[in-house]
Amino acid sequence: DIQMTQSPSSLSASVGDRVTITCRASQGISNSLAWYQQKPGKVPKLLIYAASTLQSGVPSRFSGSGSGTDFTLTISSLQPEDVATYYCQKYNNAPVTFGPGTKVEIK
Amino acid sequence: EVQLLESGGGLVQPGGSLRLSCAASGFTVSTYAMIWVRQAPGKGLEWVSDISGGGTTHFADSVNGRFSISRDKSNNTLYLQMNSLRAEDTAVYYCAKGGAGSGWSKYFFDYWGQGTLVTVSS
Repeated sequence: DIQMTQSPSSLSASVGDRVTITCRASQGISNSLAWYQQKPGKVPKLLIYAASTLQSGVPSRFSGSGSGTDFTLTISSLQPEDVATYYCQKYNNAPVTFGPGTKVEIK
Repeated sequence: EVQLLESGGGLVQPGGSLRLSCAASGFTVSTYAMIWVRQAPGKGLEWVSDISGGGTTHFADSVNGRFSISRDKSNNTLYLQMNSLRAEDTAVYYCAKGGAGSGWSKYFFDYWGQGTLVTVSS
């Protein structure tokens, strides 16, 4: 099975900072990657699918890139409401697999 | 408006069974991929099972042979039957709806239920 890793596991940044989270697949998955945001005590929310397509209603400060094995989620200007754990998910075939998550906090 | 409402969670003894339900509205469950994802306390998201629009199912190794997934067109509901429950199955269980597309390209999940807590303990 393809394994998903994320780095860093956590980060602390200031409001307005540019934040980048990396997701890596152990084998190529083309662009079959999604990103989710889960705020504390809340339900996961889809941010990006097909590696770079922004889900409707998601603020444009979120962007995704990558293909194959290496992917990034970027928050161009971190806001207080972006405090959350971010998960990548691969879906090129079974099993669907989530990354371990990256916890984002405000410094 | 798409909505998913899970139910059926609760406290069960090891070895017991539970059936989770996910009542859908705003779309037809049988025409989209659907997934069950769980989250143990303080842990990350773990895929449990999925079912395609055509009825193909997949299960995580940790639940294979103990859990089954199904759906009922008449009441537009997704189910997760959980047997031989273990302490490590304790988690919040979410159902979610797959996106648009064909084949595996639709296995990202755009709507999620609020989750139902399953606690396996004696």
